Amino acid sequence: NAGVTQTPKFQVLKTGQSMTLQCAQDMNHNSMYWYRQDPGMGLRLIYYSASEGTTDKGEVPNGYNVSRLNKREFSLRLESAAPSQTSVYFCASSLEGVNYGYTFGSGTRLTVV
Amino acid sequence: QQQVKQSPQSLIVQKGGISIINCAYENTAFDYFPWYQQFPGKGPALLIAIRPDVSEKKEGRFTISFNKSAKQFSLHIMDSQPGDSATYFCAASMVDKLIFGTGTRLQVFP
Repeated sequence: NAGVTQTPKFQVLKTGQSMTLQCAQDMNHNSMYWYRQDPGMGLRLIYYSASEGTTDKGEVPNGYNVSRLNKREFSLRLESAAPSQTSVYFCASSLEGVNYGYTFGSGTRLTVV
Repeated sequence: QQQVKQSPQSLIVQKGGISIINCAYENTAFDYFPWYQQFPGKGPALLIAIRPDVSEKKEGRFTISFNKSAKQFSLHIMDSQPGDSATYFCAASMVDKLIFGTGTRLQVFP
């Protein structure tokens, strides 16, 4: 089982460029999440999708958009990257909300110069 | 009210010792309190979790202690091993999302 797969693993962007981070899970989970991890800040929720067809903002949604393409895939888009978006991005999924625990991907390390 | 405060930021423990990480919260609507373990270059992984109707939960060398009246919970790692060296995150959930603490980097020296 692959679990949660994130692509790419590393990316360097110039300020103002756009890109999409991809996430796919093969566990038939209903809920999916995007977090960013910064030193001393822990993990902060960007957007989440409680079920296919729904998306909601988390703690730090500004500068991001998401698409729940189908039950398996949940993408995160940066329309105009800024240096403040330099971070490690994690996608996670859960069977039915938080009480079943999250399965995280291995992360995407993004640097915006 | 959405915050989960975690301490210490870093912890150094000798092999065989007890590691203790503390978390505190304000929002009494939180109803599920997991701990996640993260190794370098990996995503966090669920370690152990507790609900507020229980004061303690033990799984092997890992124990969560929960104090509902004080709105605090802690992770105890007994007989700490070098393989336990990782970053630990506490978290709290409300409705359909987790709020994470800022993390504790644990180093266990032989």
